Amino acid sequence: QKEVEQNSGPLSVPEGAIASLNCTYSDRGSQSFFWYRQYSGKSPELIMSIYSNGDKEDGRFTAQLNKASQYVSLLIRDSQPSDSATYLCAVNAGNNRKLIWGLGTSLAVNP
Amino acid sequence: NAGVMQNPRHLVRRRGQEARLRCSPMKGHSHVYWYRQLPEEGLKFMVYLQKENIIDESGMPKERFSAEFPKEGPSILRIQQVVRGDSAAYFCASSLRTSGGSFTDTQYFGPGTRLTVL
Repeated sequence: QKEVEQNSGPLSVPEGAIASLNCTYSDRGSQSFFWYRQYSGKSPELIMSIYSNGDKEDGRFTAQLNKASQYVSLLIRDSQPSDSATYLCAVNAGNNRKLIWGLGTSLAVNP
Repeated sequence: NAGVMQNPRHLVRRRGQEARLRCSPMKGHSHVYWYRQLPEEGLKFMVYLQKENIIDESGMPKERFSAEFPKEGPSILRIQQVVRGDSAAYFCASSLRTSGGSFTDTQYFGPGTRLTVL
């Protein structure tokens, strides 16, 4: 059974700190990795996609992928209260397979 | 560019009635995915469709649920004889196509349909 695992949290960080969210996956053939943000009562919103080992930065967000260790992480620098949401990790193993979703990590940024 | 559109945004049905949820993918996208999310729970994959084809329906209940994505028009998720347990948010997502390791497999979500069964 292919799985994606995330710590459910809640992860609580003070405003201005770095929030670190982690995700592990079981299928070594996975090729595409995504982070989505979901506010309560809203639909998931794409934050970042990453396909190669290493870091990918976009504004305050950095995604890190390590295929050998089968984990992908998301760092949020200078966390803001507006970053408080559930962060979903999703993995696509390729070959027309659907995304496998983690259950999400709840992040609370305290003013 | 218009994003993924879903309607209705809110739908109330009585037990035993039918619910029809519609999804129009982003322009140029030919892949549609339906998900269900119960309150305080994660996204559950239901079905993956391309135009006129069901590719993967492994997450769809065997009874009462069906989905289609015709050559023309939106994708439809149909729930017959709804029960209270069907109350949930139903999200549709679309992608350009699916080829592992490419931006083309990125899924973009619509705003969802909140179904309430009385």
